[in-house]
Amino acid sequence: EVQLVQSGAEVKKPGESLKISCKGSGYSFTTYWIGWVRQMPGKGLEWMGIIYPGDSDTRYSPSFQGQVTISADKSISTAYLQCSSLKASDTAMYYCARRSNSSGAIDCWGQGTLVTVSS
Amino acid sequence: SYELTQSPSVSVSPGQTARITCSGDALPKKYAYWYQLKSGQAPALVIHEDSKRPSGIPERFSGSSSGTVATLTISGAQVDDEADYYCYSADRSGNYGVFGGGTKLTVL
Repeated sequence: EVQLVQSGAEVKKPGESLKISCKGSGYSFTTYWIGWVRQMPGKGLEWMGIIYPGDSDTRYSPSFQGQVTISADKSISTAYLQCSSLKASDTAMYYCARRSNSSGAIDCWGQGTLVTVSS
Repeated sequence: SYELTQSPSVSVSPGQTARITCSGDALPKKYAYWYQLKSGQAPALVIHEDSKRPSGIPERFSGSSSGTVATLTISGAQVDDEADYYCYSADRSGNYGVFGGGTKLTVL
């Protein structure tokens, strides 16, 4: 079974940094793009960026370029989302998601990681 | 940056047809995908590549795309279909993905 399992909820203070993980299993991790999606409270889905773990080719949405870092460690089938200098407005649910090679659809989602930034 | 535009809300009575549209300049060249999002759940794919329905998705869900507008149609909408629906596509370069702003479907 294809699965993406994300790290647990985080509570951070403004100015702190964050790194959340997404471990893939049940498929060849290096041959599928993995993306990150943000959903702020009461708001819509936002595409942040995507990485190909096979060669670490990474693409960022212009809205998130320079704001976050996406990486992957293929030896442990895990992708990461890093954010620094957190603000209250970074409070959101963050999803990792796998993109199908055949259809281009996001065909598998992680369970989401809730990040709360509060002083 | 590239944007996909959806109307904020659609409301229908049970059994009626709901149509949710998504407009974007790159849609003539890029596929549209549709996701259903219910509170507390991860998004679920209901249509891919403009009009293909994944296994397990009821036949009442269909998709189409013409020019710069993609449409999700729910024929005979049911109360259980109440959810937020998001279109998703890629920008012209294909370098990054974009979600529409989401449409809240109310069935009552």
